[in-house]
Amino acid sequence: NAGVTQTPKFRILKIGQSMTLQCTQDMNHNYMYWYRQDPGMGLKLIYYSVGAGITDKGEVPNGYNVSRSTTEDFPLRLELAAPSQTSVYFCASTLSEVSPLHFGNGTRLTVT
Amino acid sequence: DAKTTQPNSMESNEEEPVHLPCNHSTISGTDYIHWYRQLPSQGPEYVIHGLTSNVNNRMASLAIAEDRKSSTLILHRATLRDAAVYYCILGWTTGNQFYFGTGTSLTVIP
Repeated sequence: NAGVTQTPKFRILKIGQSMTLQCTQDMNHNYMYWYRQDPGMGLKLIYYSVGAGITDKGEVPNGYNVSRSTTEDFPLRLELAAPSQTSVYFCASTLSEVSPLHFGNGTRLTVT
Repeated sequence: DAKTTQPNSMESNEEEPVHLPCNHSTISGTDYIHWYRQLPSQGPEYVIHGLTSNVNNRMASLAIAEDRKSSTLILHRATLRDAAVYYCILGWTTGNQFYFGTGTSLTVIP
């Protein structure tokens, strides 16, 4: 089991560019999450999904979009990147509320 | 909209027990209490979780108050590798979501 895999590890974007952060898990988890972590801060929930075809907003969804076409993949799309989106992005998955969250290693994004 | 309150930072001497507190006064009956930790430059990792009873695993113990409005993560013998930010979160109050607060930064003094 690879667990939760995020790509890329690092990325620098110019203001106004777009990109997709990839997240895939091989544990057959229905529940997947995207978080962002600004320097010295805790994690903020961006979007989450309870299964293929179902997504919902978290605390800070503005400027992002997600899709969930398969159980394994949960990509996060940034449209029109802004400096405020400079952050470390973590993807996580879990089987249920009685199971641990499994995190990926994160994507460090800089928007200049 | 964090639903838990933790001290910003704590210190412990190496090889001594550490008690990390967490308040969650608005916890609902179906919320699980989860603890995660984040080492520098890494993603969070699971430590322990429970619902009502105290829980033990190889990493730590979780003591849950009888009214469930607070809990304490216990590291029995702190090591330098335990220096991390520890997050107490509630699972699934509504909508299958996990919300993280700012956590407690634990410093272990050799």
